Amino acid sequence: GAVVSQHPSWVICKSGTSVKIECRSLDFQATTMFWYRQFPKQSLMLMATSNEGSKATYEQGVEKDKFLINHASLTLSTLTVTSAHPEDSSFYICSARDSGGTYEQYFGPGTRLTVT
Amino acid sequence: SQQGEEDPQALSIQEGENATMNCSYKTSINNLQWYRQNSGRGLVHLILIRSNEREKHSGRLRVTLDTSKKSSSLLITASRAADTASYFCATAIPKSRRALTFGSGTRLQVQP
Repeated sequence: GAVVSQHPSWVICKSGTSVKIECRSLDFQATTMFWYRQFPKQSLMLMATSNEGSKATYEQGVEKDKFLINHASLTLSTLTVTSAHPEDSSFYICSARDSGGTYEQYFGPGTRLTVT
Repeated sequence: SQQGEEDPQALSIQEGENATMNCSYKTSINNLQWYRQNSGRGLVHLILIRSNEREKHSGRLRVTLDTSKKSSSLLITASRAADTASYFCATAIPKSRRALTFGSGTRLQVQP
């Protein structure tokens, strides 16, 4: 079955530093990937749509300069949280849309970010 | 923004009992999916029901869809302690390449 990986699975960083999270589709190509954020005991909220070879589309209220997205290949999208603050601590989940015909979305296992 | 709401927000039952969760949504959909999420973990896809289907079964799971009421329900029969998790519905919009939109979720606690 289709597999999406995320790396790292968890990360602790200091306030003011930047953190990069990778999302990879392992056995299919994905021209479109999505980044979600989930705060404790809440649902998943879409942050942005990552498009291979073009700029990401951000949801209202999500700062594009703070959450940098790069989708340089058909199997990799990265989310960089710049100048992280404690309020950025959250669970970040990506999903990848299979562009090979099914257009199904497959979710990664998530990355737990803690900013101290 | 969230597509819709789920109720109840939290549900606590005894092992062996059935658990029913409901999901409402606002726009026309192509399909509706249910996911499970254990605490602090990723999503597990449970079942997908298409807009032209009314009911679907998978093991102990039964999903219904009423497009006229824009609602769906997930029934877990003969629940087990291992079913303790949060359950989310998610919808896909027709002819759209947008992401799935998630409901607010139901936190299910199954007491052994």
